[in-house]
Amino acid sequence: DQQVKQNSPSLSVQEGRISILNCDYTNSMFDYFLWYKKYPAEGPTFLISISSIKDKNEDGRFTVFLNKSAKHLSLHIVPSQPGDSAVYFCAASARYSGGGADGLTFGKGTHLIIQP
Amino acid sequence: EADIYQTPRYLVIGTGKKITLECSQTMGHDKMYWYQQDPGMELHLIHYSYGVNSTEKGDLSSESTVSRIRTEHFPLTLESARPSHTSQYLCASEQTTRGSYTEAFFGQGTRLTVV
Repeated sequence: DQQVKQNSPSLSVQEGRISILNCDYTNSMFDYFLWYKKYPAEGPTFLISISSIKDKNEDGRFTVFLNKSAKHLSLHIVPSQPGDSAVYFCAASARYSGGGADGLTFGKGTHLIIQP
Repeated sequence: EADIYQTPRYLVIGTGKKITLECSQTMGHDKMYWYQQDPGMELHLIHYSYGVNSTEKGDLSSESTVSRIRTEHFPLTLESARPSHTSQYLCASEQTTRGSYTEAFFGQGTRLTVV
């Protein structure tokens, strides 16, 4: 059973507009969440993270929101740029709560396409 | 920029061959991981290590083995490659710091094709 779910396999957004990528999780022991960006044939690159004690973290054009009661997080990219076109993975960890195996649990990813 | 390297980037090999995928990091990180990813799917943890002489199996069962003789080196070995092993293999490392959240850094991956 998938513990981290990204229900949108792909998302198309016009350049300059806001991109919103969503992620849901089922394990209430997850206490640290990350977003990674991945280009084909390359390894994931860390984008932004948030701990469960916060509900928002911002870094430049990227903002991650966490709703613990809904077990939902989202990544906002504004404004979207052509170089943002990639696959975005949501990942979660329970390392500090001790509730899960080590390492990160990943979603299946969302392919973001920025159209000119 | 993360200093973690995987070789080879691409490998096509025949069934039954023994292969070793190399992963090295120069950051002195104690934790290292191997993930496996098929196209359009999530990354699955297959092995991890807390440090030298520590190796553990991950969530996804794998016929591969790993070793951690040196902090910087975490090779993955398949004794007898099969077509079902065709996948992308991603190595990652992380520095554990008590009371602090950190992210894992990934290598560029090895795309393995077994024919």
